[in-house]
Amino acid sequence: QQQVKQSPQSLIVQKGGISIINCAYENTAFDYFPWYQQFPGKGPALLIAIRPDVSEKKEGRFTISFNKSAKQFSLHIMDSQPGDSATYFCAASGSYNFNKFYFGSGTKLNVKP
Amino acid sequence: GAVVSQHPSWVICKSGTSVKIECRSLDFQATTMFWYRQFPKQSLMLMATSNEGSKATYEQGVEKDKFLINHASLTLSTLTVTSAHPEDSSFYICSARDASGASYEQYFGPGTRLTVT
Repeated sequence: QQQVKQSPQSLIVQKGGISIINCAYENTAFDYFPWYQQFPGKGPALLIAIRPDVSEKKEGRFTISFNKSAKQFSLHIMDSQPGDSATYFCAASGSYNFNKFYFGSGTKLNVKP
Repeated sequence: GAVVSQHPSWVICKSGTSVKIECRSLDFQATTMFWYRQFPKQSLMLMATSNEGSKATYEQGVEKDKFLINHASLTLSTLTVTSAHPEDSSFYICSARDASGASYEQYFGPGTRLTVT
């Protein structure tokens, strides 16, 4: 059973537009939700993370929106740039086993100039 | 801060040989390190979790005798792929957790591309 479901699989956005990637989870014990950015041939890099005690967290052009009741969280990239073109992964973990990260399937973002 | 390195970045080996991949936390101590495998256009798959000074915990379906993990110090973990075969060709990524804090965060290395011919 896939613990974290991510959509869309791929996304094309014009430069300056907003990129939105969504994730849904099943386990209500999850209490840590990070987003990672991965360029081809590189390891994932943490972008931003959120805990369930807040509904939104913003860092620069990146915002996580969190809906605890719906068990969903999303990444918004404002003013998307060609340099943002990468694969994005959401993940979830819980204090009952914080060594285990459950990753989404990934979203390949292509920002057109 | 929180930099993790891997060596080598890519390696080509012949079928039947063994290859060792190193993972180092450069500016922090890591009591726990993780090894992931990633196939093209797919997500990360956790292979094993290693704690300094103890045996690694392998995920279901991962052959512990084939993928040997050693976490000998707080800054170094190694993954040895023994008797490698073409199906072991993949992108291997390690990550580490900072021992000093209570953060969940895992810091990822740049990955190692293994090609078995």
